[in-house]
Amino acid sequence: AQRVTQPEKLLSVFKGAPVELKCNYSYSGSPELFWYVQYSRQRLQLLLRHISRESIKGFTADLNKGETSFHLKKPFAQEEDSAMYYCALRRTNAGGTSYGKLTFGQGTILTVHP
Amino acid sequence: GAVVSQHPSRVICKSGTSVKIECRSLDFQATTMFWYRQFPKKSLMLMATSNEGSKATYEQGVEKDKFLINHASLTLSTLTVTSAHPEDSSFYICSASPGWLAKNIQYFGAGTRLSVL
Repeated sequence: AQRVTQPEKLLSVFKGAPVELKCNYSYSGSPELFWYVQYSRQRLQLLLRHISRESIKGFTADLNKGETSFHLKKPFAQEEDSAMYYCALRRTNAGGTSYGKLTFGQGTILTVHP
Repeated sequence: GAVVSQHPSRVICKSGTSVKIECRSLDFQATTMFWYRQFPKKSLMLMATSNEGSKATYEQGVEKDKFLINHASLTLSTLTVTSAHPEDSSFYICSASPGWLAKNIQYFGAGTRLSVL
């Protein structure tokens, strides 16, 4: 069974400081990893996925299979980054295609102070 | 982008009554829809996965007779909380996906806050 762990429930940084939200996973195969963000009073939305290798709103995340991690990073945090962040995993089949349900981590509330 | 509408956004009901929550994909056909439950400042717990035209697949520990899911069309899935009790009070979120495979991202509804008195 797959599992996603976000060890930090709360994370506070000051504006302009670097930020890293940790995510570790356990899964026997090669998973697909996602970061979702939920701003205050808004719906959950996809921030980025590892296969896209893109940077969204200055955030990046690299899949480290050796450490089974998918940490989310941003070099200079902004106040508007304050939100709840969820790391999620989707399993893959033998051909490497991901499918099915998402397994979410517990979430990390990021607060960026002015 | 793809829009998922969830209705109602908030509902208050008496203990013992049933409540229906609708989830609609507005600009795409959702082959698969997911229903989650979210506790305050906690993770999303997947309750069930539904594919259009077939029975929902419930996660372990979720009572299928308690949480009835119907996915009768490619744009609508409903979750009915039957004989609701105060412990069913929660935030319920649906998501919809155009398909089962890799490119088909889940798009989330805004959620429904259920309060059972």
